[in-house]
Amino acid sequence: GAVVSQHPSWVICKSGTSVKIECRSLDFQATTMFWYRQFPKQSLMLMATSNEGSKATYEQGVEKDKFLINHASLTLSTLTVTSAHPEDSSFYICSARDTRDTYNEQFFGPGTRLTVL
Amino acid sequence: DAKTTQPPSMDCAEGRAANLPCNHSTISGNEYVYWYRQIHSQGPQYIIHGLKNNETNEMASLIITEDRKSSTLILPHATLRDTAVYYCIVNTGGFKTIFGAGTRLFVKA
Repeated sequence: GAVVSQHPSWVICKSGTSVKIECRSLDFQATTMFWYRQFPKQSLMLMATSNEGSKATYEQGVEKDKFLINHASLTLSTLTVTSAHPEDSSFYICSARDTRDTYNEQFFGPGTRLTVL
Repeated sequence: DAKTTQPPSMDCAEGRAANLPCNHSTISGNEYVYWYRQIHSQGPQYIIHGLKNNETNEMASLIITEDRKSSTLILPHATLRDTAVYYCIVNTGGFKTIFGAGTRLFVKA
């Protein structure tokens, strides 16, 4: 199946700094990518839908100024956690759908574990 | 998107079939049933999806009832590596995927 990569796989940062997470579709084009957050022992929570060439759509309760999303190409979306605080520590996962296969599966990245000290 | 209901956890003996149920009584005609699983500390992995007919691939079989209000994911010969959280999701495809709590499957030796 198609591959989605994330970078970095883990990151530790100090409180108040910003962290950028990259999500790439390696062998397919993705008009739409999705960003999720997962806390320990909980399910994935959708944060936002990232659309190539346009503004992201955020889920209710997710601060768009804190979680900046850029989807500049058909293979790359980035999530920037601005002014990170310890409560932002979580497992961040992106996913993408192949632009040509609307009804087929979503491909997920391996996740990025963010720890804010 | 329709809501799904799954048991929080299930056990299965290694080598036996694992049958994971899912209720989706409010599913609409154009919604598909998707199954994903998540092994600890990894991203979710697609397993299978279907609309009306039963489906089978190299990983699993999906049995959808005639009224489409429920489905069962079948892992024919469960192994220890199948221990994971299994998510049943219904949506129209092409749109955002909302995850429920899923079923935590424990495969025991």
